[in-house]
Amino acid sequence: EIVLTQSPGTLSLSPGERATLSCRASQSVTSNYLAWHQQKPGQAPRLLIYGASTRATGIPDRFSGSGSGTDFTLTIASLEPEDFAVYYCQHYGGSQTFGQGTKVEIK
Amino acid sequence: QVQVVQSGAEVKQPGASVKVSCKTSGYTFTYYALHWVRQAPGQGLEWMALINAGHGSTKFSQNFQGRVTITRDTSASTVYMELSSLRSEDTAVYYCARSGYSSGYYFYIDYWGQGTLVTVSS
Repeated sequence: EIVLTQSPGTLSLSPGERATLSCRASQSVTSNYLAWHQQKPGQAPRLLIYGASTRATGIPDRFSGSGSGTDFTLTIASLEPEDFAVYYCQHYGGSQTFGQGTKVEIK
Repeated sequence: QVQVVQSGAEVKQPGASVKVSCKTSGYTFTYYALHWVRQAPGQGLEWMALINAGHGSTKFSQNFQGRVTITRDTSASTVYMELSSLRSEDTAVYYCARSGYSSGYYFYIDYWGQGTLVTVSS
């Protein structure tokens, strides 16, 4: 089973700043089967990115995903107030697992 | 539009079982899989299991093998998750979520249910 490690645990930033979130896999991820989900307090998660870099329907272009193999990144180009949330990476395909999450909080 | 609607909150005693339902609509039920993911208070997401709604086959996390049962009712486009031998550590929000599948591979989760809070307490 692939283990996903996200860093940092918490990211303290101001609106308008750039956020860079990391997700590292314990072994190479087949076919870039890596997704990112956003979760706000009291809400279900929401799909942002799949296939490491493809934005889901309706996701603003300030969100971008990149990476391959074992290292993946979610970038939020310029933080909006509604972007302060917890972000999880997910490996899918032959097995399913989530990273432990990165909280993006207002500085 | 795709909808994934779960049953309401439950309170159970230690040692009991709980059965949570997940009713879907807005797409062809048998073309997708349904996953169960739980989130303990203040914690992250933990993948538990899935059912292929077309074939009825299931896959489980080793952490839940033997204690969780996933079933489906294709006529009602509904899946069920039953967790047995409940303990306090099972207190969590349980999410049902949809993904595509092909040739034994299960894809990214694209729609989530609203979650069901299960509280285990004596």
